[in-house]
Amino acid sequence: AQSVTQLDSHVSVSEGTPVLLRCNYSSSYSPSLFWYVQHPNKGLQLLLKYTSAATLVKGINGFEAEFKKSETSFHLTKPSAHMSDAAEYFCVVSDRNQAGTALIFGKGTTLSVSS
Amino acid sequence: GAVVSQHPSWVICKSGTSVKIECRSLDFQATTMFWYRQFPKQSLMLMATSNEGSKATYEQGVEKDKFLINHASLTLSTLTVTSAHPEDSSFYICSVEGNTEAFFGQGTRLTVV
Repeated sequence: AQSVTQLDSHVSVSEGTPVLLRCNYSSSYSPSLFWYVQHPNKGLQLLLKYTSAATLVKGINGFEAEFKKSETSFHLTKPSAHMSDAAEYFCVVSDRNQAGTALIFGKGTTLSVSS
Repeated sequence: GAVVSQHPSWVICKSGTSVKIECRSLDFQATTMFWYRQFPKQSLMLMATSNEGSKATYEQGVEKDKFLINHASLTLSTLTVTSAHPEDSSFYICSVEGNTEAFFGQGTRLTVV
């Protein structure tokens, strides 16, 4: 079965400093991996996705993630945090079943950005 | 990408009443939709897979008689929370599977008082 583990429940950074949100996955086959962001009381927005193409994936708002099969990791990074980046971030792996592809969510990482 | 509209965004209901949440795929024909639930400060958990024209597939631990799902057309799936209780208060969100990614509705915040 597919699963993801987000290693940090809460990350705090200062504005302008780098962001690292860690995610490890477990999959019996080559997975599709995603990072979603959720702002308070809002829906989910896709930041980026890995679907077996380039291992370094660039997303929106300056975020990127690198798929490392040897480490089973898919960490999310951003060179310089902005106040508007404060939100909940979910690492997600796809789980294809007979009906379609459901998503398995990590527990989430709350990113706080201070000025 | 697909546009998914979920209605209502917020709903407050009394214990014992039923609430219907709609999920519409506005520009994409979806044979399959997914319903998730998110408790406060927790992750999203898949509740059920909604299949157009057939019965929904429920995840383990989700009561199918309590959470009624109807997927009558390729653009609409509904989730009805029957005989709602305060512990059903949660954030419910649907998704549509696109070619390479999922598209989510904006979610429904249900509060049962």
